[in-house]
Amino acid sequence: AQTVTQSQPEMSVQEAETVTLSCTYDTSESNYYLFWYKQPPSRQMILVIRQEAYKQQNATENRFSVNFQKAAKSFSLKISDSQLGDTAMYFCAFMKHGSGNTGKLIFGQGTTLQVKP
Amino acid sequence: DVKVTQSSRYLVKRTGEKVFLECVQDMDHENMFWYRQDPGLGLRLIYFSYDVKMKEKGDIPEGYSVSREKKERFSLILESASTNQTSMYLCASSSGGANTEAFFGQGTRLTVV
Repeated sequence: AQTVTQSQPEMSVQEAETVTLSCTYDTSESNYYLFWYKQPPSRQMILVIRQEAYKQQNATENRFSVNFQKAAKSFSLKISDSQLGDTAMYFCAFMKHGSGNTGKLIFGQGTTLQVKP
Repeated sequence: DVKVTQSSRYLVKRTGEKVFLECVQDMDHENMFWYRQDPGLGLRLIYFSYDVKMKEKGDIPEGYSVSREKKERFSLILESASTNQTSMYLCASSSGGANTEAFFGQGTRLTVV
C-alpha cells in the first residue's frame, strides 16, 4: 500500500520570499505520478504541478518547482516570490501509473501555508 | 473550462436521515471519485467509478454507497447519517489513461446533528 506524509501542518512566509513544503511517500511501485494540489479558502482544489516518476528532470511551473528525489522518496514543493494569493492548503498526492490506472489519488495530510504581507 | 459541480456547498442533516450528495461533470470523463476531507487526515477516497454503473470501494466505504446511472453524474449516499460523517466531501473527475489531472468540485461541508 502507498502512503504519503506531509510533516508540516502549518507554515508561513513573507511576501516575495521563497518557501519549501515537504512531502515523503512510500511505495513499491516503480512507475507513478506525484502531484501538488492547492486548496485556497474558496475550497476549489487546483493542480499546481505534476511529476512523472520516470522523468529525472524536476518539474517547473512558473514560480512553482519541485525537488524530486526518487531514491529517498521525497517530493518537495518550492514556491518562489511568494504572493498573497498563494495562501492556501497544499496537498501532496500519489497516483499509480500503468495498466489498471483508475486515477485514484492518495493524499498527504496537507500543509496550510500563510503568506504574510 | 472543465467543470465539476456539487449540488450543495453546505448541508445540515439529522442523525438517521438518508443523505444524497450529487456531483455533475461536463467533460465526458470516465472516472469519478468521492473523497472525504478531515483536518489532519487529508483527503481519503470513499468510492470511485470508472464507467457508468461501475463502482469500486475506496479506503473508507463504510456507511456510504454510490450511484452512477449516467456518465456525467456521480452520487454519494449516506444511508443513515451519523455524527461521525460530519465532514467536507469533495467530488472529482478525470479522463484516465495518460491524462492524469483530476478536476474537483467546490466541496460540500456536511454537518450531521
